[in-house]
Amino acid sequence: TQLLEQSPQFLSIQEGENLTVYCNSSSVFSSLQWYRQEPGEGPVLLVTVVTGGEVKKLKRLTFQFGDARKDSSLHITAAQPGDTGLYLCAGVGFNKFYFGSGTKLNVKP
Amino acid sequence: NAGVTQTPKFQVLKTGQSMTLQCAQDMNHNSMYWYRQDPGMGLRLIYYSASEGTTDKGEVPNGYNVSRLNKREFSLRLESAAPSQTSVYFCASSLTGGKRAKNIQYFGAGTRLSVL
Repeated sequence: TQLLEQSPQFLSIQEGENLTVYCNSSSVFSSLQWYRQEPGEGPVLLVTVVTGGEVKKLKRLTFQFGDARKDSSLHITAAQPGDTGLYLCAGVGFNKFYFGSGTKLNVKP
Repeated sequence: NAGVTQTPKFQVLKTGQSMTLQCAQDMNHNSMYWYRQDPGMGLRLIYYSASEGTTDKGEVPNGYNVSRLNKREFSLRLESAAPSQTSVYFCASSLTGGKRAKNIQYFGAGTRLSVL
């Protein structure tokens, strides 16, 4: 069983649409990270959220950490084909990272 | 800037064969990790090493062994490959623990392994 559950598992949308990806857990983490992975490559860190209730923005991407530090969301505004990829959340523990199952996003032009 | 380097990039094995996946990082990170990635399963931790000379089991260690040869290198060995080990393997490194910890993982490009 995954410690972190992501939803949805797959998402196919048109360019210009908005979307939200969720990452939920029953465990509390000191921080939570979001990674993006393109085909044939390793994941690359997008953001780390540390404080409960924290909101971080990265251009059209908005990341939120739940008040109880158990869940997080990633919202993309006006998605573009370049946003296509696999989005992974990861809870940070002591020397270890716990990854969710991932959300595969396809943005059609 | 090499970062994390994995070799080989692709490998096909027959059931029962052995092989070692190599990983090296040049960022002076203390922690290194081996993951496997299967469709719909995200990344699952096989083994990790928090410092030179130490290794610990992750979520799915059965069928694998690791060696932290020095601070730079962390290898993953399959002694007797099985079809269930067909997967994409990723090595990662991070600076963890202590005041300088950033807890950012840097990944290699992966090794695509097929076991027939």
